[in-house]
Amino acid sequence: AAGVIQSPRHLIKEKRETATLKCYPIPRHDTVYWYQQGPGQDPQFLISFYEKMQSDKGSIPDRFSAQQFSDYHSELNMSSLELGDSALYFCASSPRDAATDTQYFGPGTRLTVL
Amino acid sequence: KQEVTQIPAALSVPEGENLVLNCSFTDSAIYNLQWFRQDPGKGLTSLLLIQSSQREQTSGRLNASLDKSSGRSTLYIAASQPGDSATYLCAVRHGGRRALTFGSGTRLQVQP
Repeated sequence: AAGVIQSPRHLIKEKRETATLKCYPIPRHDTVYWYQQGPGQDPQFLISFYEKMQSDKGSIPDRFSAQQFSDYHSELNMSSLELGDSALYFCASSPRDAATDTQYFGPGTRLTVL
Repeated sequence: KQEVTQIPAALSVPEGENLVLNCSFTDSAIYNLQWFRQDPGKGLTSLLLIQSSQREQTSGRLNASLDKSSGRSTLYIAASQPGDSATYLCAVRHGGRRALTFGSGTRLQVQP
């Protein structure tokens, strides 16, 4: 079965650089979520999109922005990177049917900021 | 603000034991609760989802229960195997939001 695809899987950046993470949801899933998991921490919700509109916002820094495109893929743009941004970034998707509201997670992008 | 707590933080058991992982949440107005498995440095694999109207869900050797009024869920693993070694996370979706709030996980080690 198709799963959530994230790219790149690993990314190394310098402080103050920018990074773009991409997420391709499971086919026919219309909602995308972004989570950040710092070392030894639980995942923290950043932002979500439903039908290309922002649907919920969590603890996303102002330096970060995200959008969902017409093909439902999503991109997380991160600017002025800081050491504390080093983390595993997960994308998840869920289907339109609320009865099967399971969030399916991608493998994550490991971002290291030096 | 919803807070999710998991006890114990770590657990080591011999192969074959039945075990229970606990999850508690402070706000009972949840929409659903989901249990995940995470291997070191890897993604999250969804194990079970329980809707707020349900009391339990079963999948193979796994059984999850939900007591919404008391703010508790348990994940029961029968006949544990070394391959079950991983971190188990519970996450709740609060009513009105689609974001998940995660607990800090229980790190399980099953000794062969």
